[in-house]
Amino acid sequence: AQTVTQSQPEMSVQEAETVTLSCTYDTSESDYYLFWYKQPPSRQMILVIRQEAYKQQNATENRFSVNFQKAAKSFSLKISDSQLGDAAMYFCAYRSAWNNDMRFGAGTRLTVKP
Amino acid sequence: DVKVTQSSRYLVKRTGEKVFLECVQDMDHENMFWYRQDPGLGLRLIYFSYDVKMKEKGDIPEGYSVSREKKERFSLILESASTNQTSMYLCASSGGGSGANVLTFGAGSRLTVL
Repeated sequence: AQTVTQSQPEMSVQEAETVTLSCTYDTSESDYYLFWYKQPPSRQMILVIRQEAYKQQNATENRFSVNFQKAAKSFSLKISDSQLGDAAMYFCAYRSAWNNDMRFGAGTRLTVKP
Repeated sequence: DVKVTQSSRYLVKRTGEKVFLECVQDMDHENMFWYRQDPGLGLRLIYFSYDVKMKEKGDIPEGYSVSREKKERFSLILESASTNQTSMYLCASSGGGSGANVLTFGAGSRLTVL
């Protein structure tokens, strides 16, 4: 079974600075999708960014970008110009291309200091 | 916007009670999921459903059952609640087809079993 590991339970960043959240995963599949979800204190989980494994180019969404290293099975999230509203739990997730099973990491709590 | 609505944000139940958690989505999504969220463990899949009256077990189905009589509604049932089922429960939905479809989550239901 696939597993997703987030080794940083907590991270903090100064407002306007850059922070990188780490994620590694274990799979024997070649086709899959990777996601970062954000869960603000209000608890509604929302999608931040996603990456298709067959694409070599790293996904970007405004201030959010990923560093996808397929051989290393690593999928980190970089947040640039951090804002107070970025404070949340961030979950890395893996989804096989062949079924609906989505696996989540344990999460990283990000604090943004003003 | 896709909307996933969970009927109760907070519930307090007693050991042995039968508990129903309701989830409704309004975007005609084929797939619906129930996750359990615990600190340090991330999200764990309890059950999912890919069609009306269809269901599949996730990682932790013991002590839970589900019902999907209509496409838009997916219910999680705790036949006899126990204290170790105290947790945050998240419902999610996604469209069919490509594995790239993302999950849309509800706001969550925090259940306390006394």
